[in-house]
Amino acid sequence: DQQVKQNSPSLSVQEGRISILNCDYTNSMFDYFLWYKKYPAEGPTFLISISSIKDKNEDGRFTVFLNKSAKHLSLHIVPSQPGDSAVYFCAASRVNTGNQFYFGTGTSLTVIP
Amino acid sequence: NAGVTQTPKFRILKIGQSMTLQCTQDMNHNYMYWYRQDPGMGLKLIYYSVGAGITDKGEVPNGYNVSRSTTEDFPLRLELAAPSQTSVYFCASSIDNEQFFGPGTRLTVL
Repeated sequence: DQQVKQNSPSLSVQEGRISILNCDYTNSMFDYFLWYKKYPAEGPTFLISISSIKDKNEDGRFTVFLNKSAKHLSLHIVPSQPGDSAVYFCAASRVNTGNQFYFGTGTSLTVIP
Repeated sequence: NAGVTQTPKFRILKIGQSMTLQCTQDMNHNYMYWYRQDPGMGLKLIYYSVGAGITDKGEVPNGYNVSRSTTEDFPLRLELAAPSQTSVYFCASSIDNEQFFGPGTRLTVL
C-alpha cells in the first residue's frame, strides 16, 4: 500500500521556467514532509522540508507548499536550472514514531537548456 | 565527516549465496535505516534501528537480517540470495527528522 504517491514519473521544463513537482499522501497522521533530490549513482540528498503546522516553506529557489485538507504537497523550483535535472522524491513521516519515513516513487525532472 | 559510507558499491551474487552489506556513519546519529530501491519505484524500508542494540522491521524485511552492536555500524545480511533481491540498497542515518543517505550498493542476484 503506497502511502505516498508521486503520479508524474517525469517532467520536462525549459531553463528559467518554473518546475512544479506534486506529491499526495493517504495517511492523515503524517506530520512532517520532506523532498529529496537524487542524481544517478548517488544516494538521495535532503532538499527541503515542511512541518504540518505550516503551509509553506521557502529556501532560495525552492518552495514547498502543503495542503493538509487535500493531503497534497508540491515543490516549486524557480527559476529552473539544468543542474536541477535529477529524480525528486517526496517523503512523509510521523514525528516521534521511530522516525520511519515513507517515500514516493519519484519524479524525474529534466531542465532543458 | 565522511557521513554515511557503504561497501561494497557493486556486487553480483549467485542464487543461494549470502553476503553482508556494510554501513557506517560518523555523525553519532541514533537512527539508522536500510532501504531498497527497485527500478521505477520509491525507497522501501527494510529495517531500521533507533539505537545500538535495538532494531525493528520495516515494510519489506523478509530475506534480510540486521544487527546494531554500535552506534556507528548497521550491517544488512542476506542469508539466501534470491533474484527478487536484485536492487539498489541505501543505508541512511537521521537526526531531527532529516535523513542522510549513503551512496548505495547495487546488488545483482543471478
